[in-house]
Amino acid sequence: AQKVTQAQTEISVVEKEDVTLDCVYETRDTTYYLFWYKQPPSGELVFLIRRNSFDEQNEISGRYSWNFQKSTSSFNFTITASQVVDSAVYFCALSLSGSARQLTFGSGTQLTVLP
Amino acid sequence: GAVVSQHPSWVICKSGTSVKIECRSLDFQATTMFWYRQFPKKSLMLMATSNEGSKATYEQGVEKDKFLINHASLTLSTLTVTSAHPEDSSFYICSVREGKLFFGSGTQLSVL
Repeated sequence: AQKVTQAQTEISVVEKEDVTLDCVYETRDTTYYLFWYKQPPSGELVFLIRRNSFDEQNEISGRYSWNFQKSTSSFNFTITASQVVDSAVYFCALSLSGSARQLTFGSGTQLTVLP
Repeated sequence: GAVVSQHPSWVICKSGTSVKIECRSLDFQATTMFWYRQFPKKSLMLMATSNEGSKATYEQGVEKDKFLINHASLTLSTLTVTSAHPEDSSFYICSVREGKLFFGSGTQLSVL
């Protein structure tokens, strides 16, 4: 069985600070996908990134960056120069390969960015 | 990517009534849709996998007779919470897989 752990339940930062959200996963499969989703107060889930297990390249998208390290089974998410609009719950998730496999979500990290 | 429309966004109902939530895939034919439930400050938990033209697959602990799922077409899946009780109050969200998972906007159900 798979498991995703987001140890940080809540994080508060002041605007313009950098913040890293941790994600540690467990799976015995060698092929899997990792995801990050953002859930703003309005409730919808916004897809941020998908990474497959064979691609350990770090990725940067604007102020967002992701650090995937198979050696430590981690897929951490960093927001640079945080903004108030970044305040949300962020979920890390894991999916095994296969068309009908569902995601296993972490418990989420509530990020609050203070002005 | 797939656009998923979920309706209603929120619903308040009396205890004992049934509530239907619709999930539509607007630009993608989805043979499979997923229904999740989210409690306050909790992660999303998969309730069931909705399969077009066949029975839904329920996760352990989810009552099939309580949460009726119908996936009659490739673009529509419905979740009916039957004889709703206050403990069924929650945020329900559906998703469609087209490569990635795309989520509906969710339905906040409040049972009085």
